[in-house]
Formats: sequence, structure tokens, C-alpha cells
Amino acid sequence: GDSVTQMEGPVTLSEEAFLTINCTYTATGYPSLFWYVQYPGEGLQLLLKATKADDKGSNKGFEATYRKETTSFHLEKGSVQVSDSAVYFCALGGTGFQKLVFGTGTRLLVSP
Amino acid sequence: EAGVVQSPRYKIIEKKQPVAFWCNPISGHNTLYWYRQNLGQGPELLIRYENEEAVDDSQLPKDRFSAERLKGVDSTLKIQPAELGDSAVYLCASSLAGGREQYFGPGTRLTVT
Repeated sequence: GDSVTQMEGPVTLSEEAFLTINCTYTATGYPSLFWYVQYPGEGLQLLLKATKADDKGSNKGFEATYRKETTSFHLEKGSVQVSDSAVYFCALGGTGFQKLVFGTGTRLLVSP
Repeated sequence: EAGVVQSPRYKIIEKKQPVAFWCNPISGHNTLYWYRQNLGQGPELLIRYENEEAVDDSQLPKDRFSAERLKGVDSTLKIQPAELGDSAVYLCASSLAGGREQYFGPGTRLTVT
């Protein structure tokens, strides 16, 4: 079945450092790919998405490129802030996009 | 625009007791989802509704879990009786029919003692 694998956390960075969170997937067909963010005590918020190969999703300085050849959707940000501290989930949406399959999440901790 | 509303935010019960969670989706969203998120894990879909019809409940443990979405708006998820392993965060999400973006509520954190 469909699955998503994320790098384990926590990822600990200093403010203004470069961020990469790795995500790879296994799926039949051509899924859409998503990154969700979960701040403490809050629900998941969609951060960015890509619906086909080579698409780049971007939002709030974060970006990720849908790489079909490597089945990857790595999240990057050039300069992280303390306020980016949260748990980040990679997810794929199967046919019809109705069912999201999530990775286990990666906690990001950014210190001043 | 109001987001997805869930209540209660927290619930502590003893095992074998019943519990219910309530969700009010974003106005106009025909599709409603219930997910369970275990500690340190990503959410897993329990059930999906299109209007008042449950179209995917394959992951719902039907011996103790039930859900309803009367009138195709609000939804209730029930567990009876609860077990220790049911401790988790229960998330509700909604989307437009055929929509690609799901909007999540803050969740209900259930602790079964």
C-alpha cells in the first residue's frame, strides 16, 4: 500500500540555519504530495503541496519539489526562525485525493 | 471564516467507559474526515463522509467505534467501551467535495486510564 517515510527527529537548528527534512514515498499511480505543520496545541495546517512531477510547492519561505524519479518531496527553508519550531508531516494523497497517508512527523526545534 | 471546530479539547476517562467527540466542519464542506493520531505518529484515517454517507470506513474498528453525520453537517465519533489503547488525539478535517485540501480541527486528546 501507499506509505511515506520521513527522517526522524528532532532536528535541532540555530536561527538562520538552512533546513532540510527528507521525505520519500511509495505509491501506485500519481499521488499529490503535501507538507503539513503542527504547532503545539494546534491542528495540522497545510504548508505546501505539489500535484504532479517536477512541481514545486512553496509557502512562507518553505519549498519542496515533487521528484518522481527519486520518489521524494524534501522540505527546505533557507533561513529558519524560532517561530518555525513545530512538527512537520509529509503526506500523500492517493487517487481522488480523498485519503491522506501521513509520515510519522519530524519535530523541528530552532534556538535563538 | 470559522475553521473546523471540535469539542471537547481534552477528555480523560476510565477504561470501559463510553466517550463521544463532536466536530463541526467548515461551512459548505461536504466531505468530513475523522483521523486518529497516536503519540509520535502521523494521523491515520478512521472514516470519511461525503455528505451524510460514510464512503470509507475500512479503518474504523467497528466493534467499539461508531460515527454518524446526521444532516450532512456536524459529526459525532463514539467509542464504547474505551480501552487503554484508544488513548490518542482524534482529529476531524473537512474539505470541499472532490477537494484536494483538507482543513483540520485542533483535535480532541483522549486519555484512557
